[in-house]
Amino acid sequence: DAGVTQSPTHLIKTRGQQVTLRCSPKSGHDTVSWYQQALGQGPQFIFQYYEEEERQRGNFPDRFSGHQFPNYSSELNVNALLLGDSALYLCASRPTSGILDTQYFGPGTRLTVL
Amino acid sequence: DAKTTQPPSMDCAEGRAANLPCNHSTISGNEYVYWYRQIHSQGPQYIIHGLKNNETNEMASLIITEDRKSSTLILPHATLRDTAVYYCIVSGREGGKLIFGQGTELSVKP
Repeated sequence: DAGVTQSPTHLIKTRGQQVTLRCSPKSGHDTVSWYQQALGQGPQFIFQYYEEEERQRGNFPDRFSGHQFPNYSSELNVNALLLGDSALYLCASRPTSGILDTQYFGPGTRLTVL
Repeated sequence: DAKTTQPPSMDCAEGRAANLPCNHSTISGNEYVYWYRQIHSQGPQYIIHGLKNNETNEMASLIITEDRKSSTLILPHATLRDTAVYYCIVSGREGGKLIFGQGTELSVKP
């Protein structure tokens, strides 16, 4: 049983560009959350998707957007990249019917903005 | 802001018990205490959770004080592979939004 998978593992972009990160949840999970983790900090919640809709959102600007597909996989899009967007982006999934915050995390995508 | 307070770092000798404290003095009656850990360059890993009773699983034990204002995660026989940042998180039943603090960096030494 595959866990949460993310692609790509590493990515280098320049300021002003746009990026799309992808996540496949653990089998049987229908809720996906995204987190940003800057170096030396704990992960920060970006948003959560369930039934293809954004359900909760953290304190992130509109440059951060997402999408969830019918197969529960998800994308995180970041527009107009800033140097400060350099971070590890983590995807987490959980079943809606389970213990609500037992989340399973993927290995992350390391984004570097130059 | 995180609702929990943890020491920034701790050391533990290999084979000994590691006891990681967490203060959550503003916890509400319907909020759970969750523990996750993050080994370097990996995603966080769920360890254990509890409401008010002590809990134990194959990874660790969780001791919650009677007033629920603090808890302790116990790794009974720490190994080098337990070296990681440990996060204590308080979350309500609506779930989905984990608020991570700085965590405790545990170093297990031979």
